[in-house]
Amino acid sequence: AQKITQTQPGMFVQEKEAVTLDCTYDTSDQSYGLFWYKQPSSGEMIFLIYQGSYDEQNATEGRYSLNFQKARKSANLVISASQLGDSAMYFCAMREGFQGANNLFFGTGTRLTVIP
Amino acid sequence: DAEITQSPRHKITETGRQVTLACHQTWNHNNMFWYRQDLGHGLRLIHYSYGVQDTNKGEVSDGYSVSRSNTEDLPLTLESAASSQTSVYFCASEGQGGDTQYFGPGTRLTVL
Repeated sequence: AQKITQTQPGMFVQEKEAVTLDCTYDTSDQSYGLFWYKQPSSGEMIFLIYQGSYDEQNATEGRYSLNFQKARKSANLVISASQLGDSAMYFCAMREGFQGANNLFFGTGTRLTVIP
Repeated sequence: DAEITQSPRHKITETGRQVTLACHQTWNHNNMFWYRQDLGHGLRLIHYSYGVQDTNKGEVSDGYSVSRSNTEDLPLTLESAASSQTSVYFCASEGQGGDTQYFGPGTRLTVL
């Protein structure tokens, strides 16, 4: 089974609107971490946000927030007030086990296009 | 500023040749990783290391090897390049906290 599932190959959003990118995960571990990365057309992988499985509050970093629903095993990324520079591929990833003990599993990504 | 670099950024080689991709980080991180990125697969782990002299196989390790002789470098070697290894390769590193992996800029490898 896929450990990370991103069901939206592509998404469009109007500039200044909010958008939610979906991510579901599969693990039997109690301790895990969830990550979102942005990959613009230039190709680099940019870390956006992290949520630990024991964190009670949803993570936020500027315009990015992670909507963490543990029972549903979902970790959706919310981007508020979209900007043209947000157009990129977005990858959800998960680490199982203790921090630093294991590698990341990545989803297949969602391509976000921000429309002026 | 600390950083992670990869070289070369682009490489074209022929089937059967040995190729080494370099990865160098100045974060002083113990954990380093190599991923490949292909359309429809996202990023998949090739090899990883938790410190000097430590190396481990990832999900797609066949045909690849790594060595870790110091903290800063984790070179990836393709022993005998195959066309199926045409891909974009990313190196990453992280500290003991484990809440952020920092990625290099990537190497685009084409095997003809």
